[in-house]
Amino acid sequence: AQSVTQLDSHVSVSEGTPVLLRCNYSSSYSPSLFWYVQHPNKGLQLLLKYTSAATLVKGINGFEAEFKKSETSFHLTKPSAHMSDAAEYFCVVSDQSGGYNKLIFGAGTRLAVHP
Amino acid sequence: SQTIHQWPATLVQPVGSPLSLECTVEGTSNPNLYWYRQAAGRGLQLLFYSVGIGQISSEVPQNLSASRPQDRQFILSSKKLLLSDSGFYLCAWSGGQGDGYTFGSGTRLTVV
Repeated sequence: AQSVTQLDSHVSVSEGTPVLLRCNYSSSYSPSLFWYVQHPNKGLQLLLKYTSAATLVKGINGFEAEFKKSETSFHLTKPSAHMSDAAEYFCVVSDQSGGYNKLIFGAGTRLAVHP
Repeated sequence: SQTIHQWPATLVQPVGSPLSLECTVEGTSNPNLYWYRQAAGRGLQLLFYSVGIGQISSEVPQNLSASRPQDRQFILSSKKLLLSDSGFYLCAWSGGQGDGYTFGSGTRLTVV
């Protein structure tokens, strides 16, 4: 079965410093992986996705993630945090074993950005 | 382009009252449709998914039901709400295998 583990429930950074949100996945086959962002009381927005093409995936708002098969990781990074990046971030893996396109969500990491 | 509409944005309902949340998708045909619930401080729980008109699958037993009367319409209902039904409800659609989901803007339901 597919699963994802987000290693930090909360991350706090200062504005202008790098962001690292960690995610490990478990998959019995080559996975499709995603990062979503959710601002308070809003729906989820897709940041980026990996679907077995380039291992370094660039997304919106300066975020990127690197797929590392040897480490079963898909960490999300950004070189310089902005106040508007404060939100909850979800690492997601696609599970296609049930005959339909099912996404498995991690528990989420809440990112706080301080001035 | 594809868009997804979900309403209402907020809803306050008394215990025991009925519920109907509606979600519609535009710009695509035969989408996979999903209802998720997000309780306070918790992750997303898949409630229902649908791969076609009249085809509904439930992931967890609960007080809610779903229907898909038209290809691009997905409705979440309850005959009698419970306090535990409070939460943030999200509708989503996807295309083929391996695609991500596109989410609606959500409905904040408070049962009082």
